[in-house]
Amino acid sequence: AQSVAQPEDQVNVAEGNPLTVKCTYSVSGNPYLFWYVQYPNRGLQFLLKYITGDNLVKGSYGFEAEFNKSQTSFHLKKPSALVSDSALYFCAVRDGNNFNKFYFGSGTKLNVKP
Amino acid sequence: EPEVTQTPSHQVTQMGQEVILRCVPISNHLYFYWYRQILGQKVEFLVSFYNNEISEKSEIFDDQFSVERPDGSNFTLKIRSTKLEDSAMYFCASSDSLNPYNEQFFGPGTRLTVL
Repeated sequence: AQSVAQPEDQVNVAEGNPLTVKCTYSVSGNPYLFWYVQYPNRGLQFLLKYITGDNLVKGSYGFEAEFNKSQTSFHLKKPSALVSDSALYFCAVRDGNNFNKFYFGSGTKLNVKP
Repeated sequence: EPEVTQTPSHQVTQMGQEVILRCVPISNHLYFYWYRQILGQKVEFLVSFYNNEISEKSEIFDDQFSVERPDGSNFTLKIRSTKLEDSAMYFCASSDSLNPYNEQFFGPGTRLTVL
């Protein structure tokens, strides 16, 4: 069965500092991993995805994610946080046996303080 | 940039009433989805729809739920007789293929409140 865990409900970071939002996954078969962001009153917006072969994935708005197969993790990172990055972040994994389904984590609220 | 849109943004209804949530997927997409998020919980898959039929549904998607593509642009989720526990945010999504590396595009959601 596929599942995703985001262990932190909330992450607080000062503007200009690096940020990490954690995600671990459990899949049978190949991992198809994604990060989405949700701003208030907006839908889930795609940030980045893991494609086999590139352990460091670069995405929108300066975000990147590091895939670690041995730790089954796909942590979201950014070298220098902006106040405008404050939002709700969701990690998701696609069902390897049924590509229709995404399994989402519970979400992590990122607060970037000036 | 094309977007998935959903109406209404917020729907309040009485228990036992029928509701229809509406979505307009991205125009050249062929695969459509509904997800829901109960407050404070995970986003959960409900159903996928392709070629005018349901391709996959979760255990949540019981007989009180139905989906329809009534015309070339809309995709609807109907809840026949709402229960208190149906209160949630409902997200519509669409994608252009089933390539596992392709993302799904999500709408802003409809917040359903059942009283």
